[in-house]
Amino acid sequence: DQQVKQNSPSLSVQEGRISILNCDYTNSMFDYFLWYKKYPAEGPTFLISISSIKDKNEDGRFTVFLNKSAKHLSLHIVPSQPGDSAVYFCAASRSTSGTYKYIFGTGTRLKVLA
Amino acid sequence: NAGVTQTPKFRVLKTGQSMTLLCAQDMNHEYMYWYRQDPGMGLRLIHYSVGEGTTAKGEVPDGYNVSRLKKQNFLLGLESAAPSQTSVYFCASSYPRTGVRQPQHFGDGTRLSIL
Repeated sequence: DQQVKQNSPSLSVQEGRISILNCDYTNSMFDYFLWYKKYPAEGPTFLISISSIKDKNEDGRFTVFLNKSAKHLSLHIVPSQPGDSAVYFCAASRSTSGTYKYIFGTGTRLKVLA
Repeated sequence: NAGVTQTPKFRVLKTGQSMTLLCAQDMNHEYMYWYRQDPGMGLRLIHYSVGEGTTAKGEVPDGYNVSRLKKQNFLLGLESAAPSQTSVYFCASSYPRTGVRQPQHFGDGTRLSIL
């Protein structure tokens, strides 16, 4: 039972345009969400996070939106750059777990075309 | 600043052999985690530790054992390797400051093939 889903395995976007990566979750107890970026042969690196008390968090070119009623979050990258080409994972956790465990999605491979 | 270091980076084993994967972090983090990544499956938690001397099971613990004898090290052991354990293994750590969520920091992975 996949509690965190990334239904698009891949996405191609032209350089300079907006990239939108989506993530859905099923557990309403999740209250903290993160996005990680992963390049080949490297470990995931933290990108941006959002708490359930917010519906938007912005960091430079990256913005994460959270729609709690739809159990959906999205990552917007504007403008997209070739260096953004990577696999993006969303992850979710709930504060009551007490252990800061995260459930990860299956990832979306983003390719930014020059 | 090394962060999270995993050794080895690659390894090929025969079915039934045993081995230990080492994870070391130099950030004084309390929490450490072992994940495996398989195609189409994302990252799945194998075992984790909330402090020196403590370990707990994650989503997919069967066939693995762990130890956290020192705060900076977290070892993942395969007692009798099986082809189903062919995967990329990632170690991560985090520092759980009370009331402040912390993202996990990952190592670069160990690619393990079981023949």
